[in-house]
Amino acid sequence: DGGITQSPKYLFRKEGQNVTLSCEQNLNHDAMYWYRQDPGQGLRLIYYSQIVNDFQKGDIAEGYSVSREKKESFPLTVTSAQKNPTAFYLCASSIELAGGYGDTQYFGPGTRLTVL
Amino acid sequence: AQSVTQLGSHVSVSEGALVLLRCNYSSSVPPYLFWYVQYPNQGLQLLLKYTTGATLVKGINGFEAEFKKSETSFHLTKPSAHMSDAAEYFCAVSDGPAGGSYIPTFGRGTSLIVHP
Repeated sequence: DGGITQSPKYLFRKEGQNVTLSCEQNLNHDAMYWYRQDPGQGLRLIYYSQIVNDFQKGDIAEGYSVSREKKESFPLTVTSAQKNPTAFYLCASSIELAGGYGDTQYFGPGTRLTVL
Repeated sequence: AQSVTQLGSHVSVSEGALVLLRCNYSSSVPPYLFWYVQYPNQGLQLLLKYTTGATLVKGINGFEAEFKKSETSFHLTKPSAHMSDAAEYFCAVSDGPAGGSYIPTFGRGTSLIVHP
């Protein structure tokens, strides 16, 4: 079955540590996205990538980094510079950039990150 | 730049009653509009979307939405609520290529509560 996988489902981090969240898709989609979800705030865009080896900052990129070395993979690193990283993180993909072409975004099941 | 407002962070209905979730948007050009649903601790799933053509859009699980340009609205409805409809619902808007926006903007979400 085609889809998006995120791992781990739950992640605990100590203050000062960097952690990497995994996102893999086998839908052959060009565009991938990372969102942060906090209660009552909807989805906020962290980074997006339109194509391999290219990515753009979203609205809240500070304290995060990404890479796009393979079409299927778009890992997100939460660095120690992110002051309030406890949140639910969602990865998504679409054939092309969803807003430009009306493409559906397909979401992974999410990773819940908690800072101890 | 586009924006979206979802009126009511929580909507409560009885099973069998009409469901109405409100979404208003602002966009300088004809928008692309989306409704997504999120079940607890899961990713988002597309319910329906409007890009062009017929303004009444039918989606999955009996939901539908109507694009009303004069009211800048895209409200989501379902004639008869089912217990399984209890979830978080997100409206999203994009300007599309005409507006130079390639990433949808999401609303803050509306939690639908269904009472037996």
